[in-house]
Amino acid sequence: QVQLVQSGTEVKKPGSALKVSCKASGGTFGYYSVNWVRQAPGEGLEYLGGIVPDSGTANYAQKFQGRLTISADAPSSTVYMELTSLQSEDTAIYYCAREGNYMDLWGMGTSVTVSS
Amino acid sequence: DIVMSQSPDSLAVSLGERVTIKCKSSQSLLYTVNNHIYLAWFQQKPGQPPKLLIYWASTRQSGVPDRFSGSGSGTDFTLSISSLQPEDVAVYYCQQYLSLPRTFGQGTKLEIK
Repeated sequence: QVQLVQSGTEVKKPGSALKVSCKASGGTFGYYSVNWVRQAPGEGLEYLGGIVPDSGTANYAQKFQGRLTISADAPSSTVYMELTSLQSEDTAIYYCAREGNYMDLWGMGTSVTVSS
Repeated sequence: DIVMSQSPDSLAVSLGERVTIKCKSSQSLLYTVNNHIYLAWFQQKPGQPPKLLIYWASTRQSGVPDRFSGSGSGTDFTLSISSLQPEDVAVYYCQQYLSLPRTFGQGTKLEIK
């Protein structure tokens, strides 16, 4: 059974960059796309963007255009999310989620703290 | 972007009672080519990722208890819990997957009265 395994907790300085990975353990992404969703402390869910690993085609929410890059290494079934120019407002839990049509499988999340 | 709005923001219900959570989208989520409604419901408990409950507005995900049901059409949707159980305490989100960017409602916090 496929699980999404995310990289570990990160503590970053303002202005730095973040790279989080999401690996399909026990299988592959197949025809699914992989989305990134974040949740600031005490807040709701916010979509960042997604990618189809097989084709490498990515989409980004307008808010993150220019500082978000989502990439994939299909042979290793790993997707990456890189966010630059971090600010305190980027402190959140970052989730990857598999989507066929709907997001049916989620990683456990990567906690990111941005603090000087 | 499609805006998703939920009501109420929070509610407290007695055990065994019925729960109703509303979700409204700024555009119809019905895709007429296949007659599917591109609306999902998630449950999130503290310290856990969201869990898919309902997709296509009314189809229960495998393993989800049948006390959970989804309904609605076009722009107005409802998540119902027929008889509230202690383990249902959570925040519930609706989400559209008709178009990019995917968007979520602000969440409804459900507590026991």
